[in-house]
Amino acid sequence: GESVGLHLPTLSVQEGDNSIINCAYSNSASDYFIWYKQESGKGPQFIIDIRSNMDKRQGQRVTVLLNKTVKHLSLQIAATQPGDSAVYFCAEKWDGTASKLTFGTGTRLQVTL
Amino acid sequence: GAVVSQHPSRVICKSGTSVKIECRSLDFQATTMFWYRQFPKQSLMLMATSNEGSKATYEQGVEKDKFLINHASLTLSTLTVTSAHPEDSSFYICSANFGGGYTFGSGTRLTVV
Repeated sequence: GESVGLHLPTLSVQEGDNSIINCAYSNSASDYFIWYKQESGKGPQFIIDIRSNMDKRQGQRVTVLLNKTVKHLSLQIAATQPGDSAVYFCAEKWDGTASKLTFGTGTRLQVTL
Repeated sequence: GAVVSQHPSRVICKSGTSVKIECRSLDFQATTMFWYRQFPKQSLMLMATSNEGSKATYEQGVEKDKFLINHASLTLSTLTVTSAHPEDSSFYICSANFGGGYTFGSGTRLTVV
């Protein structure tokens, strides 16, 4: 289930199931989006990216969907594994910000056996 | 691939002292680096953009005299937390632009006692 508030939203999924992590971004002018995975005590790790002229991009076990109409981004992880347990952040960039990335609030993915 | 090395990974310092954190691009030149701060269970918040050979650009609300940034070469940016206080305890992460993407350091856990 999900919990919100002072803690990161949490998504619990069973091993082998598919995961969908959602993100609402803030700037309709953003032209580049990235999903990152962050494990405890480590820096963010690149997962997949997508440019604003696309609505879907696939990688190995991961798919990113972009809906510019509602400013929504999602990350789908197929056949979720215990090693996927981490916090996932979306980040957006638009040209007017000197290449700065703005990060979303994050979602903790817990994979249960 | 592009690697950013951040040092130290952990540091404990006394209140009132200063701490320097280094961020190095190992196999590429980085004219721009970014410094983030991350509090527990929260997202990454951009503190400043570090530009080689010129002054850093600070985000609103970040004290430039407290968080000194130096980017004297194309491979090294440093963040110095001056007169540190317990509320400065956080996870500090650097990032660099490379080939249109972003590479992150492994982060520095600062604890001020």
